[in-house]
Amino acid sequence: GENVEQHPSTLSVQEGDSAVIKCTYSDSASNYFPWYKQELGKGPQLIIDIRSNVGEKKDQRIAVTLNKTAKHFSLHITETQPEDSAVYFCAASIGAGSYQLTFGKGTKLSVIP
Amino acid sequence: DAGVIQSPRHEVTEMGQEVTLRCKPISGHNSLFWYRQTMMRGLELLIYFNNNVPIDDSGMPEDRFSAKMPNASFSTLKIQPSEPRDSAVYFCASSQNTDTQYFGPGTRLTVL
Repeated sequence: GENVEQHPSTLSVQEGDSAVIKCTYSDSASNYFPWYKQELGKGPQLIIDIRSNVGEKKDQRIAVTLNKTAKHFSLHITETQPEDSAVYFCAASIGAGSYQLTFGKGTKLSVIP
Repeated sequence: DAGVIQSPRHEVTEMGQEVTLRCKPISGHNSLFWYRQTMMRGLELLIYFNNNVPIDDSGMPEDRFSAKMPNASFSTLKIQPSEPRDSAVYFCASSQNTDTQYFGPGTRLTVL
């Protein structure tokens, strides 16, 4: 089955700096890669996703890049703010109606004011 | 629009007791998922329903766990009897014919 590795497990950055979280996956059939943000005491919230027909997607301060050849994808957060502090999860799926989302172990991001 | 609704938000019970967790998916969504989150194992899929029918329950840990979806707007996850190792946060998620899943706020279960 699919295996998703996520690094780093913890990340501290100064407010205003950029943060990068990386994930690798094992199943070359995977073609859907969502990122979720989980704040303390809340459920995971989808923040951005990418499908294998594109290499990059941006939404304001958040971007995701995908390298299908290397089987890795990354989350980039620019101009970090204290409210970005949370646990971020990457996931992979073969998509197209598949329900199986394989999650990474999560990255705890702390943005220091 | 209301998101996925779960109840209760917190549940504390004693070993051996029956626990029932409830979920109301987003209106119009036809897929529902139950997940369990622990520090050790992360997010694990327990069971998946499509159009109210259980499609994959391979993640259900034991016969003590059961899930039902009597209609498109309600699902339950039941643990009977509960054990301390069942302590975790249980999430319900729903989707509409896509792989984009939307999660509820979760139920934090503590079994003493």
